[in-house]
Amino acid sequence: DGGITQSPKYLFRKEGQNVTLSCEQNLNHDAMYWYRQDPGQGLRLIYYSQIVNDFQKGDIAEGYSVSREKKESFPLTVTSAQKNPTAFYLCASSDRGGDQPQHFGDGTRLSIL
Amino acid sequence: AQKVTQAQTEISVVEKEDVTLDCVYETRDTTYYLFWYKQPPSGELVFLIRRNSFDEQNEISGRYSWNFQKSTSSFNFTITASQVVDSAVYFCALSEADRDDKIIFGKGTRLHILP
Repeated sequence: DGGITQSPKYLFRKEGQNVTLSCEQNLNHDAMYWYRQDPGQGLRLIYYSQIVNDFQKGDIAEGYSVSREKKESFPLTVTSAQKNPTAFYLCASSDRGGDQPQHFGDGTRLSIL
Repeated sequence: AQKVTQAQTEISVVEKEDVTLDCVYETRDTTYYLFWYKQPPSGELVFLIRRNSFDEQNEISGRYSWNFQKSTSSFNFTITASQVVDSAVYFCALSEADRDDKIIFGKGTRLHILP
């Protein structure tokens, strides 16, 4: 089945620690996205990538980093510089073009220990 | 600037009632796309519908219908004869034609269908 796989489903971070969230898609989509969801805040764009080896900052990129070395993979690292990382993180992918709907993974819930 | 407003934060209705979720958008572009997504308790967002700015025809899919009105910049979503399985958070979203494929989401409306 084609889709987007995010792992892990739950993640705990200690103070001062970097953690990496995995996102893999087998939909052959060029574009991939990372969103952060907080209660009552909707979805906010962290980073996005329209093609392999290229990515752009979204609205709330500070404290996060990404890479796009393969078409199917777009991992997100939450660094120690992100002071309030507790949130639900969603990865999405789509074909290129503003008319293309995004397809989402099941999300990763990150909490601070 | 582009913006999506979902003024209803939370709605509760009794099963079998009809319910309408409101969405108002702002954009300066003449070519844009509107979307609705459903987020059930499992967390994954599910794509429901896309509308482009040149197509104002209303659409019906089973118990779901969408009313797109450019004159009021609205793209409202109606569920007829609601069911408990419709309980979810619903997001309206906007994409402009030349915005690096980015979608702007509203803050969502949490819908509770009471048995």
